[in-house]
Amino acid sequence: GENVEQHPSTLSVQEGDSAVIKCTYSDSASNYFPWYKQELGKRPQLIIDIRSNVGEKKDQRIAVTLNKTAKHFSLHITETQPEDSAVYFCAASKGQAGTALIFGKGTTLSVSS
Amino acid sequence: DSGVTQTPKHLITATGQRVTLRCSPRSGDLSVYWYQQSLDQGLQFLIQYYNGEERAKGNILERFSAQQFPDLHSELNLSSLELGDSALYFCASSEGQGYDQPQHFGDGTRLSIL
Repeated sequence: GENVEQHPSTLSVQEGDSAVIKCTYSDSASNYFPWYKQELGKRPQLIIDIRSNVGEKKDQRIAVTLNKTAKHFSLHITETQPEDSAVYFCAASKGQAGTALIFGKGTTLSVSS
Repeated sequence: DSGVTQTPKHLITATGQRVTLRCSPRSGDLSVYWYQQSLDQGLQFLIQYYNGEERAKGNILERFSAQQFPDLHSELNLSSLELGDSALYFCASSEGQGYDQPQHFGDGTRLSIL
């Protein structure tokens, strides 16, 4: 089955710096890759997603890139702010009924001011 | 507010007991997913229902069961509870049955087994 590995497990940056989180997946049939942000004690919230027919997607300070050949995708956050501090989860799925959304173990991002 | 409602928010019970967690999906969403989140395991997919029928099964223990009712709300039943079942249980919903659609999470039920 699908396996998603996420690195790093923790990331500390200064306010204004960029942060990059990387994920690799094992199943080449996976075609949907969402990213979730979970603040302490809160629910995971979808922040951006990408499908396999697209190589990059941006939404203001957040961008996701996908390399299907290498089977990895990355989250890029620019101009980080203290409110970006949270746990970020990547996930992958085949997008078919009967298959699951498989999550990475998460990255704890700390942005210090 | 995601529109997904989970009750109760907290549940404290003892080993060997049985509990029921409830989830109401967003208006218009037909799929409900259940996840378990513990400190060392991240978000683990348990089971999915679409319009009342089971669609996918993950790492769900035999002591756990779920169902989705005609009004589309779902219940997750956990029985013969063990200390290791202590975790946050999230419900999520999406419009269709495919996994290429955004899933919207509820606020979760925190289950503590004493």
